[in-house]
Amino acid sequence: GESVGLHLPTLSVQEGDNSIINCAYSNSASDYFIWYKQESGKGPQFIIDIRSNMDKRQGQRVTVLLNKTVKHLSLQIAATQPGDSAVYFCAATNTGAQKLVFGQGTRLTINP
Amino acid sequence: EAQVTQNPRYLITVTGKKLTVTCSQNMNHEYMSWYRQDPGLGLRQIYYSMNVEVTDKGDVPEGYKVSRKEKRNFPLILESPSPNQTSLYFCVSSQGLGNQPQHFGDGTRLSIL
Repeated sequence: GESVGLHLPTLSVQEGDNSIINCAYSNSASDYFIWYKQESGKGPQFIIDIRSNMDKRQGQRVTVLLNKTVKHLSLQIAATQPGDSAVYFCAATNTGAQKLVFGQGTRLTINP
Repeated sequence: EAQVTQNPRYLITVTGKKLTVTCSQNMNHEYMSWYRQDPGLGLRQIYYSMNVEVTDKGDVPEGYKVSRKEKRNFPLILESPSPNQTSLYFCVSSQGLGNQPQHFGDGTRLSIL
């Protein structure tokens, strides 16, 4: 079946550095991707999405890169802050599918 | 404020005692879904609904029921809860699925003893 996987279960970065969280997906038909942030005690919160007709999309301090050739997705967080500490999930779906397929999540820890 | 509201947020109960977790969204979304989140297994879909009176099984529907009598509400029913249903549950809604972000509730932590 379809799977979405994250390369690292945990990531520690220094405050102020850039963070890069990676994700791989298996279904070449996937055409819509979302990154979520989950803080302790809360539900996943939408960060940014990207459709398969794009390679890059930028938000406020976040950038998502999509490489369809190798089925790889990454989330870049610029100037990481303590409030960025959370578990980050990528999810993939395709037009007509009835669900998102989620990765396992990467826990981002910020060192002062 | 746009939100997905789940109740209760926490519940400890015993095996076999029927329970319902309610979910309500105020965004007039057509699509709603339930997921459970377990360590090492991630988020898995239980049931989903494309619109009123339309529901379908997700990946792990056994032991659960849902209903969608009106657009805003999508309750999750455990007719005879068992310990393996101890989990963190999330209700989700979106306007569509293929190209729209899904909005999550804050979760319901169920413990079945």
